[in-house]
Amino acid sequence: DVKVTQSSRYLVKRTGEKVFLECVQDMDHENMFWYRQDPGLGLRLIYFSYDVKMKEKGDIPEGYSVSREKKERFSLILESASTNQTSMYLCASRDGGLYGYTFGSGTRLTVV
Amino acid sequence: QQQVKQSPQSLIVQKGGIPIINCAYENTAFDYFPWYQQFPGKGPALLIAIRPDVSEKKEGRFTISFNKSAKQFSLHIMDSQPGDSATYFCAAADSGNTPLVFGKGTRLSVIA
Repeated sequence: DVKVTQSSRYLVKRTGEKVFLECVQDMDHENMFWYRQDPGLGLRLIYFSYDVKMKEKGDIPEGYSVSREKKERFSLILESASTNQTSMYLCASRDGGLYGYTFGSGTRLTVV
Repeated sequence: QQQVKQSPQSLIVQKGGIPIINCAYENTAFDYFPWYQQFPGKGPALLIAIRPDVSEKKEGRFTISFNKSAKQFSLHIMDSQPGDSATYFCAAADSGNTPLVFGKGTRLSVIA
C-alpha cells in the first residue's frame, strides 16, 4: 500500500513563528498536494507539485510556501503563523493523471 | 466559484437505510469522479470512482450513479451500517493532470 506520512499529528505554535509541515510518500508518485480542511469549507488546495523543484499555487496560497527538493518529500511552510491558519492540514500524493489521491492522516495545527 | 456542489451537508439514517449523497459539477471537461470516505482523525481514503463512459458503478454496498447530461453524480450506500458513519467527499478532475476539485463534504451518521 502507498503510504503518505505526515510528520506530526498535532502541533501547537505561537503567532509569528515559522512552521514546517513535512510530508513523505513511499511510492515514487509524481504529484503531491497540500490541502487544508476546515468545517463547512471542505478541502481547499494550498499548493501542489508535479515534479522535484516544481510548485504551483492552489486556491489559497497566501501565507504559505512549499519546498520539494526530493521526489518523495513535499514540505509546507507557514512563513509567519497566524491564528487564522489554525486548521487540519492534509498532504496527498498521486501517480499522475486520472488516479485517486492517497492522503496522509493529517496534521492538526493550532496557532495561539 | 465552487466547481463541485455537494449536498446534503449532513445526513442521518437508520441502520439498513440507503443514504444518498449528490454532487453537481459545471466543468464539462471533467472526466474522473471519485468519492472519498473520511473517519474522524484520519485522512480521506478513496472509496470508489467512475468515469463518464458508464452510468453506474458498484463496489460492494457502494454505488455511484452518473448522469452526464445533467452533470450530476451520486453515491448510494446500500444496507448502511453504523460503521459507515463518516464524512464523504465527492471530487472531479479532467484528463489534463489537474488537481482534484472537491465538494464540501457530507457528514453521515448511521444510527442503530
